[in-house]
Amino acid sequence: QVQLVQSGAEVKKPGASVKVSCKASGYTFTSYYILWVRQAPGQGLEWVGLINPSGGSTSYAQKFQGRVTMTRDTSTSTVYMELGSLRSEDTAVYYCAREGTRGFYYFDYWGQGTLVTVSS
Amino acid sequence: DIVMTQSPDSLAVSLGERATINCKSSQNVFYSSNNKNYLAWYQQKPGQPPKLFIYWASTRESGVPDRFSGSGSGTDFTLTISSLQAEDVAVYYCQQYYISPPTFGQGTKLEIK
Repeated sequence: QVQLVQSGAEVKKPGASVKVSCKASGYTFTSYYILWVRQAPGQGLEWVGLINPSGGSTSYAQKFQGRVTMTRDTSTSTVYMELGSLRSEDTAVYYCAREGTRGFYYFDYWGQGTLVTVSS
Repeated sequence: DIVMTQSPDSLAVSLGERATINCKSSQNVFYSSNNKNYLAWYQQKPGQPPKLFIYWASTRESGVPDRFSGSGSGTDFTLTISSLQAEDVAVYYCQQYYISPPTFGQGTKLEIK
């Protein structure tokens, strides 16, 4: 069965960076884009960006440009999201999710979420 | 970016009654070339990731009960639960994937009256 398993919770200080991993299994890793969505406490869902595991190409939401980097390791079927210059507003649960149909950005499988807390 | 606006923000419905959640997009999300509306619905329960319920505006994801249905076209969409069950208490989100970036509505909290 398809699974996305994310790394554990992180606590970071303002200005630091965080790297969250998302390990995929149960399907051909390179056949579906992986997208990242975040959810601040008690708030809605916000798209962060995506990565094509096949070639490694990426696309980021404008508000995160310059601060976010997404990479993948095809040998372990894992994608990574690194967010830098952290501020308190980045405190959120970060989810990885798989596109439902190739090329169409709805999300059929989600990771369990990784809570990133930014606090001095 | 396309702005998605849901109504109401919260909704209380009696068990067995119908629940209706609305979603309006700031731009058309219907693509005439393939006759599809690029609109999805998700259910999220506390402490869990969102779960895909509906895509292409009206296609139920596998395993979703048939009391859930999606309708609408263009800019106006509806998620209907025909007979509310206790396990349906959750927050529901609509999402457009017509134009990048994909954007979500603010969510509608569904409770039991």
